[in-house]
Amino acid sequence: SQTIHQWPATLVQPVGSPLSLECTVEGTSNPNLYWYRQAAGRGLQLLFYSIGIDQISSEVPQNLSASRPQDRQFILSSKKLLLSDSGFYLCAWSSGMGNTIYFGEGSWLTVV
Amino acid sequence: EDQVTQSPEALRLQEGESSSLNCSYTVSGLRGLFWYRQDPGKGPEFLFTLYSAGEEKEKERLKATLTKKESFLHITAPKPEDSATYLCAVWGGGADGLTFGKGTHLIIQP
Repeated sequence: SQTIHQWPATLVQPVGSPLSLECTVEGTSNPNLYWYRQAAGRGLQLLFYSIGIDQISSEVPQNLSASRPQDRQFILSSKKLLLSDSGFYLCAWSSGMGNTIYFGEGSWLTVV
Repeated sequence: EDQVTQSPEALRLQEGESSSLNCSYTVSGLRGLFWYRQDPGKGPEFLFTLYSAGEEKEKERLKATLTKKESFLHITAPKPEDSATYLCAVWGGGADGLTFGKGTHLIIQP
């Protein structure tokens, strides 16, 4: 069966520090991969999606970036965090466009 | 642009008190409507996918239905463990995947 792992689960970072959140999917090949952010009262916001290695699409302008160095690995990064980057970040995967999206357990980021 | 509106934002029920959650959507061509359950501090958990008007799916105390404009998540005789936020999402055919509503926060009191 397919599983998705996301880490770290929680982190507290100072303003201006870098960020790296990692996500891996097991049990499937060539998945579509997604990074979402969830803020209270705003629902799930799609940040990035990827249909293949080194193929990244950005949905919103921000100081975050994403990379997919391997087929089942997706990384969310920032060079300098802002207070507004605080939130709950979710990695997700699907077997193809329009198919069910399955989520990881999420990462709580607090920027102080 | 696809849009999803869920109502109510929050709902408090007594154990055993049945009710329905609403998901209204605007999409140029619906390819699928998805329901998820999310517990506090966790990622959303997939419940159902509906593809065409008139379709229904059931799982334990939950039943999801779909019309051309909205979907309902009916919960029958709920228990406290059904307390969660329920998310609705639609896919209109875009490469960027699903558009989510803000969810309904459901509390079942014993």
